[in-house]
Amino acid sequence: AQSVAQPEDQVNVAEGNPLTVKCTYSVSGNPYLFWYVQYPNRGLQFLLKYITGDNLVKGSYGFEAEFNKSQTSFHLKKPSALVSDSALYFCAVNFGNEKLTFGTGTRLTIIP
Amino acid sequence: DAGVIQSPRHEVTEMGQEVTLRCKPISGHDYLFWYRQTMMRGLELLIYFNNNVPIDDSGMPEDRFSAKMPNASFSTLKIQPSEPRDSAVYFCASSSPGVLAKNIQYFGAGTRLSVL
Repeated sequence: AQSVAQPEDQVNVAEGNPLTVKCTYSVSGNPYLFWYVQYPNRGLQFLLKYITGDNLVKGSYGFEAEFNKSQTSFHLKKPSALVSDSALYFCAVNFGNEKLTFGTGTRLTIIP
Repeated sequence: DAGVIQSPRHEVTEMGQEVTLRCKPISGHDYLFWYRQTMMRGLELLIYFNNNVPIDDSGMPEDRFSAKMPNASFSTLKIQPSEPRDSAVYFCASSSPGVLAKNIQYFGAGTRLSVL
């Protein structure tokens, strides 16, 4: 069965430092991978997706993610964190239909 | 476009009462999804529609839950009778057809349901 795992419930990063939010997936084919962000009292917002092609995907708000097939990972990264990046981040996977399977979420806190 | 619109934003009801949550998807989107978010279970897909037809309702927890989409611009999620364990934030999302837009779901702001 398709699934994603976000091994960290909480990540704290100092403002200005690089950040990484981890995601791994189980595979039985070629996955489509996504990152969404949720700000307080809001719905999820799409950040970026990987379908095929370059392993480094660039998305909104300066975020990027690196697809690593050998490690079955799709970590979210940003070179320099902002306080406004503090939010709940979800990794998601899809295998060709319209359903997304979401991870459990990682709460990112940027410390001023 | 105003985005996905959900109403009400907050609902407080008593156990046993009927609850109806409403969703207006983005115009032109042909997929509509209902999710439930709780601290314990995270984000769960309840049901989704394509062109107003239910495609997969395997996530609907039990017969007390039902969802309809009478037309392309409106969907409801009904809980009858409601129970305290139904307390959660319910999200509606929609997406458009096409390869480039595939799986990019646009979420509403959610309905926070409290069943006392």
